[in-house]
Amino acid sequence: AQSVTQLGSHVSVSEGALVLLRCNYSSSVPPYLFWYVQYPNQGLQLLLKYTTGATLVKGINGFEAEFKKSETSFHLTKPSAHMSDAAEYFCAVSEGGTDKLIFGTGTRLQVFP
Amino acid sequence: GAGVSQSPSNKVTEKGKDVELRCDPISGHTALYWYRQSLGQGLEFLIYFQGNSAPDKSGLPSDRFSAERTGGSVSTLTIQRTQQEDSAVYLCASSSPNLNEQYFGPGTRLTVT
Repeated sequence: AQSVTQLGSHVSVSEGALVLLRCNYSSSVPPYLFWYVQYPNQGLQLLLKYTTGATLVKGINGFEAEFKKSETSFHLTKPSAHMSDAAEYFCAVSEGGTDKLIFGTGTRLQVFP
Repeated sequence: GAGVSQSPSNKVTEKGKDVELRCDPISGHTALYWYRQSLGQGLEFLIYFQGNSAPDKSGLPSDRFSAERTGGSVSTLTIQRTQQEDSAVYLCASSSPNLNEQYFGPGTRLTVT
């Protein structure tokens, strides 16, 4: 069975600092990996995805993530945090492009001025 | 273009009543998913429809929950004899095979009193 672990339910950074949100997965097949963002009282928005090919993927709003098979990780980074990045971030895994998503428990990012 | 829409946006019901939640996927998307987001359980997969195939119901928490998808488009999630633990945000998503990603609706917030 697939699973996702997000270390740290809350992460706080200063504006301009590096953002690092951790995600580790378990999958018996080559995984499809996703990061979604949820702003308060809104739905889920896709930030970026890894399916096949290049292991460093770039997404919207300056975020990127690197698929590391040897570490079963897909950590999300952004070089410089902005106040507008404050939100909840979910990592997810699936067995295929249209298969169901298995989500991590989420990480709430706070950005301080 | 139009995204995934869900109705109602909010639903308050009394314990024991039945409720129906509706999802209109993006036109042309063959796959449709229901997820539930609650404080205690995070984001959980409920059910998944893909074209004319039998739905994957493996995430439905009890036989009080059912869903159907008529004409390969609109879907209705029905919860019978609602319980307080059914209180959550119910999210719908849709996708198509060439996209390798799911688009989420804004959700229906269900409160069982």
